[in-house]
Formats: sequence, C-alpha cells, structure tokens
Amino acid sequence: QKEVEQDPGPLSVPEGAIVSLNCTYSNSAFQYFMWYRQYSRKGPELLMYTYSSGNKEDGRFTAQVDKSSKYISLFIRDSQPSDSATYLCAMSEGGTYKYIFGTGTRLKVLA
Amino acid sequence: GAVVSQHPSRVICKSGTSVKIECRSLDFQATTMFWYRQFPKQSLMLMATSNEGSKATYEQGVEKDKFLINHASLTLSTLTVTSAHPEDSSFYICSARDPRQDEAFFGQGTRLTVV
Repeated sequence: QKEVEQDPGPLSVPEGAIVSLNCTYSNSAFQYFMWYRQYSRKGPELLMYTYSSGNKEDGRFTAQVDKSSKYISLFIRDSQPSDSATYLCAMSEGGTYKYIFGTGTRLKVLA
Repeated sequence: GAVVSQHPSRVICKSGTSVKIECRSLDFQATTMFWYRQFPKQSLMLMATSNEGSKATYEQGVEKDKFLINHASLTLSTLTVTSAHPEDSSFYICSARDPRQDEAFFGQGTRLTVV
C-alpha cells in the first residue's frame, strides 16, 4: 500500500462546476497537508497548506483535512478552464520538509 | 512566495555522459534543499535531502554514487547524474526550504533526456 493514494483521473468537468479532489493516506504521523497545482512540464506551485485537521478557504479553493479518517480534500468552486492542470496532494510529518506526494489528479475544465 | 530557480530547464545528453542540474534559492538562504524525480504520469518521488555543508541523505533505492549531490552554499545545490542511461530520463525537480516562511518552494524542473 502506498503511503498516499490519489486517483489519477483524468477528471473532466464543465466550466462553473464544483470540483472535488481527494487523497487518502496511511501514515498517522503526517501533520502538514498541501495541495499543489502542476501545469504540463512545469514545477508544482503551492495552492493550499493546512496544518492538522480542519478546513481552510482561499478564494475559490477550500482544503479539508480529516485526520481521523486519514482523508484530505480540495474543493474548487466555479471552476475555470485555466484550472485545468494536475493537482497533487502532499504531506509531511512535523518538523520535516520531506514531502510525500500523491500521484496527482489530472483535471480538465471544459469551456 | 520565495523564488527557486533550476537550470537547465531541458537537457539532452548521450548515454554514458554526466549531467549537472543546478538549484538556486534566489531571495533566501536555504539550509535544506530536496531533489525529486517525476516519471510521466507518476508522482514526485523524493530522491535525497541536501543539507548545506554536509553529505546528502538519500532515500532508499537511490544510488548515491550515480546521483551526486553537492550543497556547497546556502543558495545553491547541484545534482549530477553520472554515467547517464536512457532509464534516467525523467523530470527532476528541486525544492528549497525557506525558514522565514516555514515552507518549501519548488523549482521549475529539469527535463532530462538520455539518448
């Protein structure tokens, strides 16, 4: 079993839809949870960063962490074609910056 | 956010040669940098942790004699792929920890093709 599991997609949605992206993990020591967006042939860029459980909202993006279920989510509201990219979840234990990544979910928002 | 620059962005080399990739933190000092490898449609896999002034720590299964890491200054880490083979062709990405922001920032990646 991988430490972090993420559905690779692709996920296709119409413009304006609400997108839900998810990851599950097995390491209960993870405390930091990140979502990255990666465009083709580019490095990942940080979208959301959450410590421990709870919700965090930033514009059209909402990140949720449920440590009891070892499950994290990223919601994108009013999705736009420019949101089309691969979304990677990443996690790390406290005090380290060794990020363990999911495989990434490829998202396509259709105009 | 902080800026991490990686060079070159793309390189093609012949099998058996060595290739050096640079990772620079442009506006902060990074005591710790990380090197990842990403194969097509797969996740980023951590290869090694690079600490300024000391030996790198390699993840299990990564050959340290093949992937030489040097972190000679607080703003520069280099990854040298020695005796490259076609199976080393991949997307290599570095990240650097910015202690001011308690966050690691990624470079834009280097696509290595070994022919």
